[in-house]
Amino acid sequence: TQLLEQSPQFLSIQEGENLTVYCNSSSVFSSLQWYRQEPGEGPVLLVTVVTGGEVKKLKRLTFQFGDARKDSSLHITAAQPGDTGLYLCAGDRPISGNTPLVFGKGTRLSVIA
Amino acid sequence: NAGVTQTPKFQVLKTGQSMTLQCAQDMNHNSMYWYRQDPGMGLRLIYYSASEGTTDKGEVPNGYNVSRLNKREFSLRLESAAPSQTSVYFCASKWGARDYGYTFGSGTRLTVV
Repeated sequence: TQLLEQSPQFLSIQEGENLTVYCNSSSVFSSLQWYRQEPGEGPVLLVTVVTGGEVKKLKRLTFQFGDARKDSSLHITAAQPGDTGLYLCAGDRPISGNTPLVFGKGTRLSVIA
Repeated sequence: NAGVTQTPKFQVLKTGQSMTLQCAQDMNHNSMYWYRQDPGMGLRLIYYSASEGTTDKGEVPNGYNVSRLNKREFSLRLESAAPSQTSVYFCASKWGARDYGYTFGSGTRLTVV
């Protein structure tokens, strides 16, 4: 059973459109992180959200952490071809000790010019 | 540039051969991780080291061994490679604090024939 479910799995849109990617779980996380991965490279951290209901903005990207800290969303406004990539969410479980992050399987975004 | 360095970037092995994937970080991070990434499977944790001198199994440890040589270096060894180990391998590191993101290397693409 996947602890973090991402949807959609694939998304292909035209330049200028808006989109939302979801990351859902039945478990509570102390924080959720979003990463972006380009072909041939490792994932790169975009943002960490730690407070239930928190909203963070990074230029055209808006990240939200659910009130119950079980889900998160990533909204991209006016998508550009440079936004193309694999978007991964990862959760930090509220367990004592330095336990590894749990990763979703990712959403592969393609923005067509 | 500071970060996580993985070597080699590409490798082809014959079934039964052994090899060691090297990983080094220069950020003075405490924790280090080895993941494999396969299409449709997302990032799966192989082994991790929460601190120098400790290692723990992740989700898919079978067929692998690790060594935390010092605080900087964390190597992954395949003793007898199998075609099922064909994958892209990523090393990551993290500072000890919770809610702190991972820094990933650029990956090793391994093919076992």
